[in-house]
Amino acid sequence: IQMTQSPSSLSASVGDRVTFTCRASLSIGIYLNWYQQKPGKAPNLLIYGASNLQSGVPSRFSGSGSGTDFTLTIDSLQPEDFATYYCQQTYSTLFTFGPGTKVDIK
Amino acid sequence: QITLKESGPTLVKPTQTLTLTCTFSGFSLTTSGVAVGWIRQPPGKALEWLALIFWDDDKRYSPSLKSRLTITMDTSKSQVVLTMTNMDPVDTATYYCAHRQEWEDSGTYMEAFDIWGQGTMITVSS
Repeated sequence: IQMTQSPSSLSASVGDRVTFTCRASLSIGIYLNWYQQKPGKAPNLLIYGASNLQSGVPSRFSGSGSGTDFTLTIDSLQPEDFATYYCQQTYSTLFTFGPGTKVDIK
Repeated sequence: QITLKESGPTLVKPTQTLTLTCTFSGFSLTTSGVAVGWIRQPPGKALEWLALIFWDDDKRYSPSLKSRLTITMDTSKSQVVLTMTNMDPVDTATYYCAHRQEWEDSGTYMEAFDIWGQGTMITVSS
């Protein structure tokens, strides 16, 4: 299963609402996770099962979608949200990651 | 509190075999449903899933690297070991181990890597 993400990067301002997408090459149901990674740090799980917020993650993060198309939305972007975001499918036990979307400061 | 930490050489020569150890605490690999995975990330590039080992010793490998990878566990030491043979400069990357968490909702089982180690940078060079 191949994963694609768009855009590959975006520039945004603090307070913006940003949405980016992840697409699977075949239907994966809701078996889609989102991770945030900051430079030099390990990834951090944000969303599992397409829309379930991981414990401790701020509620401004939300995920939606099923099948092949998924979105991650950040309401009111905060300074600490500038990072790279990866999706990951777990439909097959070969846990493919997407190429990532980098969010930087406009 | 679950923690994981990777250890291994920082420099490996081409054609050599890499052995990485993930030492964890806060959970046991003898508990049903538990699994630990390995993921790597070349400098400036995306994450790549490598392998996964389950509590029952079931194992999964990335198809593209399957012939070079072996994942094992030592439950007495709370360790998971990944070996990768025939190392090449393109294998230069930060290697992470991570705890796989499973959630059930109305008969649907979701899983993700919820806790990660800090990662260890491996350089392949002569």
